[in-house]
Amino acid sequence: GAVVSQHPSWVICKSGTSVKIECRSLDFQATTMFWYRQFPKQSLMLMATSNEGSKATYEQGVEKDKFLINHASLTLSTLTVTSAHPEDSSFYICSALSRGANTDTQYFGPGTRLTVL
Amino acid sequence: QKEVEQDPGPLSVPEGAIVSLNCTYSNSAFQYFMWYRQYSRKGPELLMYTYSSGNKEDGRFTAQVDKSSKYISLFIRDSQPSDSATYLCAMKKTSYDKVIFGPGTSLSVIP
Repeated sequence: GAVVSQHPSWVICKSGTSVKIECRSLDFQATTMFWYRQFPKQSLMLMATSNEGSKATYEQGVEKDKFLINHASLTLSTLTVTSAHPEDSSFYICSALSRGANTDTQYFGPGTRLTVL
Repeated sequence: QKEVEQDPGPLSVPEGAIVSLNCTYSNSAFQYFMWYRQYSRKGPELLMYTYSSGNKEDGRFTAQVDKSSKYISLFIRDSQPSDSATYLCAMKKTSYDKVIFGPGTSLSVIP
């Protein structure tokens, strides 16, 4: 199956700093990528949809100025958590949409665990 | 009412048992249905992908979709300890639409 990578796999930062998370589709091109966050023992909550070459679409309640998304190429999307605070600590997961002849499939990255001190 | 509902468990079964996992949903516009497996501190892994109503089998896994009842199921035969994970049902309206996830069911298969 298709492979999606994320970097870093975990990061610890001080409150007030910014953190960038990369999401790459390794063996396919993805015009669309998605960013999710997941709190312990909870399901994935979609934060935003990232389209290559255009602005991301954010879900209701997600601050676009705090969670900056850039999808500069067909294989790379980045999520920057700006001025991070402890409540931003979470598991961030990206997925990339692989378009097939008959259907499209989302493949997920391994996730990035962010801890804000 | 949440869009997608799923019993969170935890569900504990002995090795070799048949496991039944279920989800209900409220939006009749959903046409694509998926099951993902997520191990602790890992990203979700796609297990099954079905379109509209019907059954799909892949090895020990069988997915069923009943759109008239807005009910989907995943059956795991001959369960193994390595099947211990959280299972997330997911669905979307169109092929390229965003995926809506259920809350997940935690499964433990006891040797």
